[in-house]
Amino acid sequence: QSALTQPASVSGSPGQTITISCTGTTSDVGSYYYVSWYQQHPGKAPKLMIYEVSSRPSGVSNRFSGSKSGNTASLTISGLQAEDEADYYCSSYTSSSAYVFGTGTKVTVL
Amino acid sequence: EVQLVETGGGLIQPGGSLRLSCAASGFTVSSNYMNWVRQAPGKGLEWVSVIYSGGNTYYADSVKGRFTISRDNSKNTLYLQMNSLRAEDTAVYYCARDLPSGYYGMDVWGQGTTVTVSS
Repeated sequence: QSALTQPASVSGSPGQTITISCTGTTSDVGSYYYVSWYQQHPGKAPKLMIYEVSSRPSGVSNRFSGSKSGNTASLTISGLQAEDEADYYCSSYTSSSAYVFGTGTKVTVL
Repeated sequence: EVQLVETGGGLIQPGGSLRLSCAASGFTVSSNYMNWVRQAPGKGLEWVSVIYSGGNTYYADSVKGRFTISRDNSKNTLYLQMNSLRAEDTAVYYCARDLPSGYYGMDVWGQGTTVTVSS
């Protein structure tokens, strides 16, 4: 159950579009459409932003979108805003009937 | 209102035991997949365990054989029994609900409870 690989940090200016990658294996991301993304502000609980690769829960801005190709999933944030500055984690269901989280990405709005 | 509230954290010596509770309101624990997720100080999220609505349970390798997830339907509460605690189990522990109707994604989270394993 090794953690999924994410870039440690991604930055962008307000209004720009950024993409965060999440690389796994054929035992997790590559075999299931059960990839989710979470936003976590300091000292707060995580918040679900995307589930099942590309679905948005009610109330989540449509500036957030998800996709997957092979063993890599991606979260795209368009029209970057100051409030988007946070840590982001991907997660996938695995062949062991477990979940695995990504290493986490710190998003900085310049 | 749909809500989860964790309790039971604290300071415990290595080798000790602790039971965390997660009280749910606004929905039925037994009808949903329920998870425990932890976050060590300054570190990322780590999935710990899940209990499915049918009762099947699964664990991360790091806690298998030491932690037990369970639920009390009459109290609408989720539990995590933690035995043989180690320093590396020090973390904020969150309970989280998977989306209803069999979708995968944790949509409701508690505020977390802190477990510190230290002598």
